[in-house]
Amino acid sequence: RKEVEQDPGPFNVPEGATVAFNCTYSNSASQSFFWYRQDCRKEPKLLMSVYSSGNEDGRFTAQLNRASQYISLLIRDSKLSDSATYLCVVREYNNNDMRFGAGTRLTVKP
Amino acid sequence: GAVVSQHPSWVICKSGTSVKIECRSLDFQATTMFWYRQFPKQSLMLMATSNEGSKATYEQGVEKDKFLINHASLTLSTLTVTSAHPEDSSFYICSATRQILAKNIQYFGAGTRLSVL
Repeated sequence: RKEVEQDPGPFNVPEGATVAFNCTYSNSASQSFFWYRQDCRKEPKLLMSVYSSGNEDGRFTAQLNRASQYISLLIRDSKLSDSATYLCVVREYNNNDMRFGAGTRLTVKP
Repeated sequence: GAVVSQHPSWVICKSGTSVKIECRSLDFQATTMFWYRQFPKQSLMLMATSNEGSKATYEQGVEKDKFLINHASLTLSTLTVTSAHPEDSSFYICSATRQILAKNIQYFGAGTRLSVL
């Protein structure tokens, strides 16, 4: 079983749509959770951290369910510029290495 | 601006040659850096953890004699792919952790695309 699993997609949605990505992780000792965005042939960039209480940043909402070891990302009012691969990332300890999901590819179409 | 600088961004080499990739933290010290490899349509896979002043810690299945890591200073780690072969062609990305407002944020270099002919 992979440490971090994501639905690979692809998700093809029209502009303005709401789309949700899910991620599960296997290590219950994991402490920190993130969503990264990676554009084609570029490095991953931090989109947002994920907190236990859930958090929102503009059109993006992240949720964490520790009991189910499940993380989600919701994107509202999708823009063309949201097209990218979204990586679910889990870190066990502070300063330690990060484990990446394989990514979910999103394409937003006009 | 960039927080972590990686160089070169793209390299093409002949089979059997060695390639060195540099990763620098800009304006902060990084005692630990990480090296990842990413094959097309796959996730980043951690290769090794680079520790300043000591030996790197390699993940299972990664040959330490093939992927030489040197973390000579608090702002520079290098990865050398020795005797590269076509199967080593991949996207190599480094990262460094920077503490911001008591949170450890990991920043990535722009990556190095290695093509071995």
